[in-house]
Formats: sequence, C-alpha cells, structure tokens
Amino acid sequence: NAGVTQTPKFRVLKTGQSMTLLCAQDMNHEYMYWYRQDPGMGLRLIHYSVGEGTTAKGEVPDGYNVSRLKKQNFLLGLESAAPSQTSVYFCASTTPLNYEQYFGPGTRLTVT
Amino acid sequence: GQQVMQIPQYQHVQEGEDFTTYCNSSTTLSNIQWYKQRPGGHPVFLIQLVKSGEVKKQKRLTFQFGEAKKNSSLHITATQTTDVGTYFCAGDNTNAGKSTFGDGTTLTVKP
Repeated sequence: NAGVTQTPKFRVLKTGQSMTLLCAQDMNHEYMYWYRQDPGMGLRLIHYSVGEGTTAKGEVPDGYNVSRLKKQNFLLGLESAAPSQTSVYFCASTTPLNYEQYFGPGTRLTVT
Repeated sequence: GQQVMQIPQYQHVQEGEDFTTYCNSSTTLSNIQWYKQRPGGHPVFLIQLVKSGEVKKQKRLTFQFGEAKKNSSLHITATQTTDVGTYFCAGDNTNAGKSTFGDGTTLTVKP
C-alpha cells in the first residue's frame, strides 16, 4: 500500500497562474482533507470531503476549489495564485470508524 | 468557531529531562488526537482519546484527556534525541471527522 500520495512535491508559480494539486489514497477511506501549513503554525483546514461527490469548506477556503469525483482522489485547485498562498499543502484521509488521519508527504508551493 | 490552543509553543530540554505539552479547547470535544511531525516531514498519528479522564501510555509517552473533555496533555518521560519534532493536538467537537489542530509544540532535545 502506498498510503496517501501527493503530486507534485514542489512547485513554483507566478502570481495569477493556476494549478491543481492531486491527492490519492489506496486505503478506501471515505474522508479526505486538504490542509495548509505555514511556518511555525499548525494545520489549517482548507476543504474536506466526507464521500465521493461531496465537498465542504474548512477554515480557510478562499482562493481554493476542490473536487472529489473518485473516492480515492481529492483535487485542490488554485485558479489565480497569490503570494499569500505560498505554503506547504498536506492532504490527509481517514475513516469515520476512528478518525485517525493519514497524511501525504506534502506539496511545497511558492508563489512569486 | 472552535479554537484549540497549545502551550508552550517551544520547549528546549536536555536529553533525559521530561517534557509536557498542553492542549485546551474552547468547546467540549468528542475526541482528541495527537500527532508528531518530524522536521521536514508530515504529521504522523500517535493516539486518539475518546473517554472523559482517559489515560493512555505508549512506552515513554503518556496521554491524558481531561474530565470535562476540554483539555489534554502529552507527557514524555526521559526525553531522547529521537523525540525531536512538533507535537500537535487535534480536537473534534462534532464527531463528524473534522478536527481543529492546535499550533503545535516544537520540542528540541540537547544531547
């Protein structure tokens, strides 16, 4: 089992460019999450999904969109990147049986 | 909205000393989880507490959930250099799988 994988690992964008971050899990988990982590801070929830075809906003959803067309994949989109979106992005998944979250390795995004 | 606060933000200890981090929620929690993140790594699940007053141990780590289910602590006995990292608590007050993370306590251990 690969667990939770994230693509890409690193990316540099210019202000105004768009991109999509891909998260994939092979554990058949129902719930998936996107977080951002800024230096010295905890994880802030951007969007999450409790099942295929459903998404919901977290604490900091502005400037991001998500889609969960397949149970194993959760995509995070930035339509028009801003320097304030420079961060490390983590995807996680879990099952409602115990809520133990499994995290991916992260994507380090820099917006110049 | 729900707030989860952790103290201290940083802790520097000599190897062999004990370490404790505290987590406090503004609301009653249905469960609380603890994670460890090594420098440059991703958070890794350590444990989940569900019951009021619950205490769980993992080798040198002791986790407690308060009687009112609004606070929790992680205590490490006789720290080792392998304990270095940031420890996060994450609380859920809805039982809907949406936890709020504290800002973490970063532990450094001097050999």
